[in-house]
Amino acid sequence: DIQMTQSPSALSASVGDRVTITCRASQAIRNDLSWYQQKPGKAPERLIYLASTLHGGVPSRFSGSGSGTEFTLTINSLQPEDFATYYCLQHNTYPCTFGQGTKLEIK
Amino acid sequence: QVQLVESGGGVVQPGRSLRLSCSASGFNFNYYAMHWVRQAPGKGLQWVAIMSGDGSRKFYADAVKGRFTISRDNSRNMLNLEMSSLRPDDTAVYYCAKDEGVGGTLGSIDYWGQGTLVAVSS
Repeated sequence: DIQMTQSPSALSASVGDRVTITCRASQAIRNDLSWYQQKPGKAPERLIYLASTLHGGVPSRFSGSGSGTEFTLTINSLQPEDFATYYCLQHNTYPCTFGQGTKLEIK
Repeated sequence: QVQLVESGGGVVQPGRSLRLSCSASGFNFNYYAMHWVRQAPGKGLQWVAIMSGDGSRKFYADAVKGRFTISRDNSRNMLNLEMSSLRPDDTAVYYCAKDEGVGGTLGSIDYWGQGTLVAVSS
């Protein structure tokens, strides 16, 4: 199975900051990677697919990059509603696998 | 708009069975692959199973292989998960999720239901 190593596991930041979250795959997955945001008690929501394509309705302060084994999610100018937990998901090879998650907290 | 509504969760004793269902609307259900994903209390997301839109392809996580069975009824826009030999570590919120893959192809999860809680306890 492909392992997805996501870092950091937790991150403190302030409104207006720029943050970056990384996912590394244990083997190459082309660009078959998505990013999700989950708020407490809610279902996840997709932010990014195919590593860098913004899901419809997602603000442009979110961006993704990467291919192969290393991927990043960047959030520019953090807003209060962005404090949540973020997950990556690879769907190149089944079983598909999630990263462990990154909890983004207000500093 | 896409709507996914799970049902069937509850408290069940270890070793027993439970069937989850997901009612889908707002899209051509028979075209798209569908997933089950779970989340244990306070933990991260764990992928469980997928079935392609045409039913030709199914995959399972190692943790549930041989115990869980995914199925779909395209005439009723329903996705099911039959869970047997349940264990305490199967306790989780179970989410139904839509894939963007059409026909026999598999892609990324694009929409999620709100989840149903399964608690395995004696």
